[in-house]
Amino acid sequence: GAGVSQSPSNKVTEKGKDVELRCDPISGHTALYWYRQSLGQGLEFLIYFQGNSAPDKSGLPSDRFSAERTGGSVSTLTIQRTQQEDSAVYLCASSPVWRLGISGNTIYFGEGSWLTVV
Amino acid sequence: KQEVTQIPAALSVPEGENLVLNCSFTDSAIYNLQWFRQDPGKGLTSLLLIQSSQREQTSGRLNASLDKSSGRSTLYIAASQPGDSATYLCAALGQNFVFGPGTRLSVLP
Repeated sequence: GAGVSQSPSNKVTEKGKDVELRCDPISGHTALYWYRQSLGQGLEFLIYFQGNSAPDKSGLPSDRFSAERTGGSVSTLTIQRTQQEDSAVYLCASSPVWRLGISGNTIYFGEGSWLTVV
Repeated sequence: KQEVTQIPAALSVPEGENLVLNCSFTDSAIYNLQWFRQDPGKGLTSLLLIQSSQREQTSGRLNASLDKSSGRSTLYIAASQPGDSATYLCAALGQNFVFGPGTRLSVLP
């Protein structure tokens, strides 16, 4: 596609429910990232997929959070048993090469999925 | 662990002023330093990318510099306009992108 696409754009869920957030990266991009941004805060790294390698899950805040990337393209971030502190915008990004540090490598962001847990 | 900070946290200036936004990072072993703009309710838009071997990059009224040895980058905006109002984030690229908290810029007409 022309850009990184995320869905849903907005989600309101009840505490304790599970939610799934979807990211469709730019076609051909091999690296995919998930970040979280709470209100008024900076970006918090969650997980990074690079090509066919094992993902870097070091930023996932708890075992309630998981993500997968099917066929090297679309990714789904799943939050189980949502809590109010999970309320944030979840940003997905992709970049064209999987080896970080390649000259000119840059990252493209989607518009985000705004999650509100009530 | 890489940490990125930005100063000031917020800035309000009259239209036409030249201004400087600062970004500091603790680990100088980076590949790139990238500046982004974020408008309210929107994702991030890349402004400038400086590779580790470069000292600066320019695009229109924007100029970004990088001093790896001191762990600093600056974004210079010339002749600011109300349309420049947004949050500006820098990101240091090592094993992954680590973002600063951003500088909220308001340019008053």
